[in-house]
Amino acid sequence: DTEVTQTPKHLVMGMTNKKSLKCEQHMGHRAMYWYKQKAKKPPELMFVYSYEKLSINESVPSRFSPECPNSSLLNLHLHALQPEDSALYLCASSQDPGSSQPQHFGDGTRLSIL
Amino acid sequence: SQQGEEDPQALSIQEGENATMNCSYKTSINNLQWYRQNSGRGLVHLILIRSNEREKHSGRLRVTLDTSKKSSSLLITASRAADTASYFCATRGGGSNYKLTFGKGTLLTVNP
Repeated sequence: DTEVTQTPKHLVMGMTNKKSLKCEQHMGHRAMYWYKQKAKKPPELMFVYSYEKLSINESVPSRFSPECPNSSLLNLHLHALQPEDSALYLCASSQDPGSSQPQHFGDGTRLSIL
Repeated sequence: SQQGEEDPQALSIQEGENATMNCSYKTSINNLQWYRQNSGRGLVHLILIRSNEREKHSGRLRVTLDTSKKSSSLLITASRAADTASYFCATRGGGSNYKLTFGKGTLLTVNP
């Protein structure tokens, strides 16, 4: 079992739908991350939240909208996605972004866009 | 652009053998980390080596770092079928550049 919990595990949505991915950690970590991973590829960083503030946006299209309601929760709101957005979306957390501590990953949400 | 580049891309060995994976990177780093990813799962942190360290051990894992060659290696000794997974190196830059940048990964298959 991982200490970072992501829901749902699988999500199928049409291009006009609006859905949200959720991520939760209770390790007291103050940095949280969203990554996108395509099959047989490494994870690619999308967003970093540091102390509940967005600190890095890796030029992600606006159809992906992150939100950090509190220090334990991270959401990724999805709207008008494209078929190429189908991927595994991973959430991770770490003690804080400036430390050398490793990141803890959830098992991801496998997203399919019809 | 990718910072770390692993080789080989795929490695198939028999149980009990040792597996060595290599990682090269391009810019200065604060630390280098190795992660394992089982099929359909998230990444699991294995070991972290700082830029001022040359070698680190954790159980059956041995990591080396050569900052002059900008390379690292991960050795898994006495491999088991359960070690079958993808292995990624990830580098963390220095200073305020705290992003983790992952290499392309090595797919390790350990045959029983």
